[in-house]
Amino acid sequence: QQQVKQSPQSLIVQKGGISIINCAYENTAFDYFPWYQQFPGKGPALLIAIRPDVSEKKEGRFTISFNKSAKQFSLHIMDSQPGDSATYFCAARKGMPAGKLIFGQGTTLQVKP
Amino acid sequence: DVKVTQSSRYLVKRTGEKVFLECVQDMDHENMFWYRQDPGLGLRLIYFSYDVKMKEKGDIPEGYSVSREKKERFSLILESASTNQTSMYLCASSNTGELFFGEGSRLTVL
Repeated sequence: QQQVKQSPQSLIVQKGGISIINCAYENTAFDYFPWYQQFPGKGPALLIAIRPDVSEKKEGRFTISFNKSAKQFSLHIMDSQPGDSATYFCAARKGMPAGKLIFGQGTTLQVKP
Repeated sequence: DVKVTQSSRYLVKRTGEKVFLECVQDMDHENMFWYRQDPGLGLRLIYFSYDVKMKEKGDIPEGYSVSREKKERFSLILESASTNQTSMYLCASSNTGELFFGEGSRLTVL
């Protein structure tokens, strides 16, 4: 019930293509769904986040699609660039305190030039 | 600029040793967290603190303890290190929901 399941584990995309990473959850009490991006040797950093009262959020080339009934959410990276190569984590939060997150297993994205 | 600093980037310890991982944040955040990162398992919460001297167990607290004597500092303690605690340890702080992470401490226990 507390898990967030993320897929795929790894992803290779050509430059200019669309990268899609999926996450699923069980606990309907989750109230906040962020995505974090991590470059090698660095800590994760917040990329984009959504709350369950909206179905989509877009920031530049990054879009979260949220399907409340299916308990799934996904990250779409449009026009993927080599600089997007990183590990991506979805996460979910149940209540407070702020920052207490349950993370998915991570997806390593490689964008080939 | 926001900063979470983990004092040790790489540590090598022997089984049974006591290990201290230190973390300092300069954002005056109330909440601080220790996560462990392992391939294929994502980030798992070990302990967190929402106030000085306050601490709560996360999802995998066994074998760990923490200390928060000052608001800006949160320490993770391995009382007797074991090989299964070889991992990347990430400290983070937060006030409003966004987690700010340090660069991590990679611990190897031999």
